[in-house]
Amino acid sequence: GQQVMQIPQYQHVQEGEDFTTYCNSSTTLSNIQWYKQRPGGHPVFLIQLVKSGEVKKQKRLTFQFGEAKKNSSLHITATQTTDVGTYFCAGPKDSNYQLIWGAGTKLIIKP
Amino acid sequence: EADIYQTPRYLVIGTGKKITLECSQTMGHDKMYWYQQDPGMELHLIHYSYGVNSTEKGDLSSESTVSRIRTEHFPLTLESARPSHTSQYLCASSPGNTGELFFGEGSRLTVL
Repeated sequence: GQQVMQIPQYQHVQEGEDFTTYCNSSTTLSNIQWYKQRPGGHPVFLIQLVKSGEVKKQKRLTFQFGEAKKNSSLHITATQTTDVGTYFCAGPKDSNYQLIWGAGTKLIIKP
Repeated sequence: EADIYQTPRYLVIGTGKKITLECSQTMGHDKMYWYQQDPGMELHLIHYSYGVNSTEKGDLSSESTVSRIRTEHFPLTLESARPSHTSQYLCASSPGNTGELFFGEGSRLTVL
């Protein structure tokens, strides 16, 4: 069945270092969405990418959608403590408005 | 902030009790969803609705039921709670055309 794989599961970084999470779909996606969930919180929508090869930036966050529309990445430059949380990607299921979710990448800032 | 509300936020109950988790949204969204999530883990879709009188089961087998009698209200009911139901339950809604989900703050259920 349709799957969305997300790696890594965890990433430990020093504050100020960069962070990247990758998302790979088993099928071509019409769009991909990214969400952030703070510890103890709920997922919050960050962005949606629709076009092949699209790149969007939100301050220190850079989102990319692959040319084949099967993979995506989120890169954070110079991480800050406010970036801590789990980042999820999600793409629409083939036949309806359901989303297929990645397992998430947890960003942990080393003390 | 999105206008989607869940109650209760926290609930501790004994095995065998019946519970209803409430979810309401004031955005007029047709699509609503219930997800189950253990702390720090992935989201599992348990029920969804595309509009009034429409409900479907998601990918995760669940002993819960839902109803959608009004657009704004999508309650989830567990007829007989068990310790395996201990988890966080997240309600979400979507306008559908964009696909973006708006989540409530979640209901954390503990079954003793």
